[in-house]
Amino acid sequence: DTEVTQTPKHLVMGMTNKKSLKCEQHMGHRAMYWYKQKAKKPPELMFVYSYEKLSINESVPSRFSPECPNSSLLNLHLHALQPEDSALYLCASSFRTGPMKYGYTFGSGTRLTVV
Amino acid sequence: GENVEQHPSTLSVQEGDSAVIKCTYSDSASNYFPWYKQELGKRPQLIIDIRSNVGEKKDQRIAVTLNKTAKHFSLHITETQPEDSAVYFCAASMGRDDKIIFGKGTRLHILP
Repeated sequence: DTEVTQTPKHLVMGMTNKKSLKCEQHMGHRAMYWYKQKAKKPPELMFVYSYEKLSINESVPSRFSPECPNSSLLNLHLHALQPEDSALYLCASSFRTGPMKYGYTFGSGTRLTVV
Repeated sequence: GENVEQHPSTLSVQEGDSAVIKCTYSDSASNYFPWYKQELGKRPQLIIDIRSNVGEKKDQRIAVTLNKTAKHFSLHITETQPEDSAVYFCAASMGRDDKIIFGKGTRLHILP
């Protein structure tokens, strides 16, 4: 298995809803990442987990809450989002963090619309 | 922090011709430079990467060059084909942290 799987593929949620995005990989990667990508823009890093511990939080608002329950799974919990949070949310993983980012692989993303 | 500039933002080339996309980076500590291709509605996919101890790398029709002194690197696609049409992102990463910083992207159109 050489893929990063993200679910759901599409999500529409209201500003008062609570939802979660899920990311899974079975490549033995020990680093996992969340990115946000707006239309016609590059991916922007949100969070980095290294060996299931949060190593980077790029000053993301608290309405986004990441969780890494085990080495294969990464969640992003969403609560009280704003319409401007609508974007493609990409998960990525790599064999390890630090230099070279061996095997850095993106998932297909979750397209989130906040109404 | 690191800043990556990418040019041009849009590039149109005739099928069969070559395409060149250029990037510059600001932090001399950056040591890893991947290139991603993103087709409409799909994930970014790594197409080639280069480490700072190498000046050039080639994979079939795709090549990347790196000039550490000038802090710039370029993507070269030869014999372009319609399926090369996509957005291409350059990126840079430093060894001491886990970030990959992306350029703003180049939309490449291959004209028939």
